[in-house]
Amino acid sequence: DAKTTQPPSMDCAEGRAANLPCNHSTISGNEYVYWYRQIHSQGPQYIIHGLKNNETNEMASLIITEDRKSSTLILPHATLRDTAVYYCIVRLGGYGNKLVFGAGTILRVKS
Amino acid sequence: DVKVTQSSRYLVKRTGEKVFLECVQDMDHENMFWYRQDPGLGLRLIYFSYDVKMKEKGDIPEGYSVSREKKERFSLILESASTNQTSMYLCASRQQGAFEKLFFGSGTQLSVL
Repeated sequence: DAKTTQPPSMDCAEGRAANLPCNHSTISGNEYVYWYRQIHSQGPQYIIHGLKNNETNEMASLIITEDRKSSTLILPHATLRDTAVYYCIVRLGGYGNKLVFGAGTILRVKS
Repeated sequence: DVKVTQSSRYLVKRTGEKVFLECVQDMDHENMFWYRQDPGLGLRLIYFSYDVKMKEKGDIPEGYSVSREKKERFSLILESASTNQTSMYLCASRQQGAFEKLFFGSGTQLSVL
């Protein structure tokens, strides 16, 4: 699986968009990009995933560059409850037997 | 919404005890997983199960075993608890074929004294 690089921490003002970057320069053509988050004292929560095209759901948007070497998770209007560790994971599609969670980015949303 | 329930939020056990961690999911998912989470080491996969009575070792299975007698329940067993098994244990489930969309429980913080 491709390795990912994320900044260790970021701050965001409440109500503003939070843009979380992820570098995955060794990604292969059939590997998906997944984002999870983990709020303190809870288990990780799936947010979104994508292959090539940009994706949007009720939680966030995922922007993947054309060369697929990096991506950005966008929380359009961050709230205090979005304070969490955000994990970017690259994984082959289809049956997977494990997700490798790195250190992630600690996002602090401040009022 | 999918609910993955872990039987205990906090657990304190003594070295050498046999420990059972229980996990139940309510969405008829075929796949279930046990991870442990430690500071600086992230989440590491202990065991997973593709279906009832099926199990596969993850990255760190030593000192653990699992049981999946019913589809909704996946148990993690510490045969003889040791202090280095003090950790946060997370159970997850996934519908087969649903890529890597895992649903996690809230975790069990196990302390082995």
